[in-house]
Amino acid sequence: AQSVSQHNHHVILSEAASLELGCNYSYGGTVNLFWYVQYPGQHLQLLLKYFSGDPLVKGIKGFEAEFIKSKFSFNLRKPSVQWSDTAEYFCAVTHSSGNTPLVFGKGTRLSVIA
Amino acid sequence: SAVISQKPSRDICQRGTSLTIQCQVDSQVTMMFWYRQQPGQSLTLIATANQGSEATYESGFVIDKFPISRPNLTFSTLTVSNMSPEDSSIYLCSAKTDSGANVLTFGAGSRLTVL
Repeated sequence: AQSVSQHNHHVILSEAASLELGCNYSYGGTVNLFWYVQYPGQHLQLLLKYFSGDPLVKGIKGFEAEFIKSKFSFNLRKPSVQWSDTAEYFCAVTHSSGNTPLVFGKGTRLSVIA
Repeated sequence: SAVISQKPSRDICQRGTSLTIQCQVDSQVTMMFWYRQQPGQSLTLIATANQGSEATYESGFVIDKFPISRPNLTFSTLTVSNMSPEDSSIYLCSAKTDSGANVLTFGAGSRLTVL
């Protein structure tokens, strides 16, 4: 069965610090990978996705993620965080066929302090 | 992408009662999905709802507890039956709203508190 592991439950950073949130998945087939973000009191929103091609994908608000197939990883990065990046971040995986459910990690809460 | 609306946005319910959550999509979609997000936990898929067929439930979820309707391509309901405090959670509706894309769009969620 598919599973997703997010290494950090809660990350606290100062503004302008660099961010890297870890995500590893367990799945034997060809996958599609996602990062979703949930700002306080708001919907889950898609931050970025990887389907195929360049393993370094760029999303909204300066976020990027790198797919490393050999490590089954899809870590999220941002060079300089802002207070407005305070949110819950979820990594998710599904089979590229779209015929399997989207499986989420447990989420990482990011708190950015001034 | 499409917009997904859920109601109620939140409710406080008594033990033993049932509550139906409605989900409306502003475009036609084939598959709709119901997730649960328990306090401090990730999103767990409850079931997949396809129009014109019975919902497909994930392991640990059963139709008697979480009956689902899917009367047309833009609407679905999830009922949480005979609620207990353990059912206190956020319930989220989602769908693949971009044609041909393997991306889910989510509603804002329905936060249920069972006393």
